[in-house]
Amino acid sequence: AQSVTQLDSQVPVFEEAPVELRCNYSSSVSVYLFWYVQYPNQGLQLLLKYLSGSTLVKSINGFEAEFNKSQTSFHLRKPSVHISDTAEYFCAVRRMDSNYQLIWGAGTKLIIKP
Amino acid sequence: NAGVTQTPKFRVLKTGQSMTLLCAQDMNHEYMYWYRQDPGMGLRLIHYSVGEGTTAKGEVPDGYNVSRLKKQNFLLGLESAAPSQTSVYFCASRPEKPGQGYNEQFFGPGTRLTVL
Repeated sequence: AQSVTQLDSQVPVFEEAPVELRCNYSSSVSVYLFWYVQYPNQGLQLLLKYLSGSTLVKSINGFEAEFNKSQTSFHLRKPSVHISDTAEYFCAVRRMDSNYQLIWGAGTKLIIKP
Repeated sequence: NAGVTQTPKFRVLKTGQSMTLLCAQDMNHEYMYWYRQDPGMGLRLIHYSVGEGTTAKGEVPDGYNVSRLKKQNFLLGLESAAPSQTSVYFCASRPEKPGQGYNEQFFGPGTRLTVL
């Protein structure tokens, strides 16, 4: 079985400071990895994904995540956050041999302090 | 394109009442999903469908039923609502075949349900 752990339920950070949101997973098979973002009172939307190739993946709004197979991690980082990044961030995995289901982490709320 | 839409946006029920949540997508996606979101628990899969006329149980199916009579619609039913079903419900869809959006689930805006 797979599981996803997001160690921090909330991460407060000052505007323009760097941030890292942590995600670790466990799986007996290879997986694809995803980060979704949920802005207040909205549905979730895909932020970035790792399927294959370069272990560092980037989003259009300055976030990046690095797949570390030995540490079974997929941490999300941004060098300088803005107030508009206030949201809840969810890490998810999908087995490479399964076409259907995502396994979700519990989410991390990013709180930007002015 | 409207994407994924959900009806209603809000609902308050009394214990024992029934209701149906409607999810509609106009992207011709094969796969559709119903999730519930509770504080500190992330998203939990209730039921999903891999095509018209098919449904399957997810992680937390008890107390819910679903139907996928048309490809574009996925209905979630609560036959006898309980306070434990107070939650925010999200519908999502995804294409079956490789191409644009293949590895992405597209989410609706959610339905906030309160059961008293």
